[in-house]
Amino acid sequence: DTAVSQTPKYLVTQMGNDKSIKCEQNLGHDTMYWYKQDSKKFLKIMFSYNNKELIINETVPNRFSPKSPDKAHLNLHINSLELGDSAVYFCASSPGTGGFSQHFGDGTRLSIL
Amino acid sequence: GNSVTQMEGPVTLSEEAFLTINCTYTATGYPSLFWYVQYPGEGLQLLLKATKADDKGSNKGFEATYRKETTSFHLEKGSVQVSDSAVYFCARSANTGNQFYFGTGTSLTVIP
Repeated sequence: DTAVSQTPKYLVTQMGNDKSIKCEQNLGHDTMYWYKQDSKKFLKIMFSYNNKELIINETVPNRFSPKSPDKAHLNLHINSLELGDSAVYFCASSPGTGGFSQHFGDGTRLSIL
Repeated sequence: GNSVTQMEGPVTLSEEAFLTINCTYTATGYPSLFWYVQYPGEGLQLLLKATKADDKGSNKGFEATYRKETTSFHLEKGSVQVSDSAVYFCARSANTGNQFYFGTGTSLTVIP
């Protein structure tokens, strides 16, 4: 029933590890996003895909690699995790590009030890 | 520039007080404007939106009017409740393309 679902909800791991976060939307939307929210609640867009095609790729370390196997899924893989990667990562979707509102998942809280 | 500036928090109000959270934007053209709310431990939810000048978005007692002349979209509520405690984000769409611009968020705490 959940519109935008992300897994896992919590991720605790060691520095240097590789991890993935998965996102799925059942709204039939064409566009999906990944955001990073820091401890001060500042929200920064990382990537956006429209119909499986990358359309926004902000200044993000290349240790972060998004993958969209189909337009309902957008996964985020992170290599060689660093302490500064600790944050809450949100997936979102919208019907398309332009002035549409976005629907957010509940977030994945990533903690690096 | 293409930015959204909103009032810094945190804001603490007593129950039934009047709320205003200021938001201004810079843009060429006429973007759509949004307010999102984030309750503790949850993702952002759309609270209200306005797509053209003089439109008023409203939901759950909250209102915001798209003011082109002042490039503002201030959020107001006449009587806040404890359950309104959350972080509020102002946002605007790009005029073209896919970019979405969020403000820095304003934390609101309502005390009984």
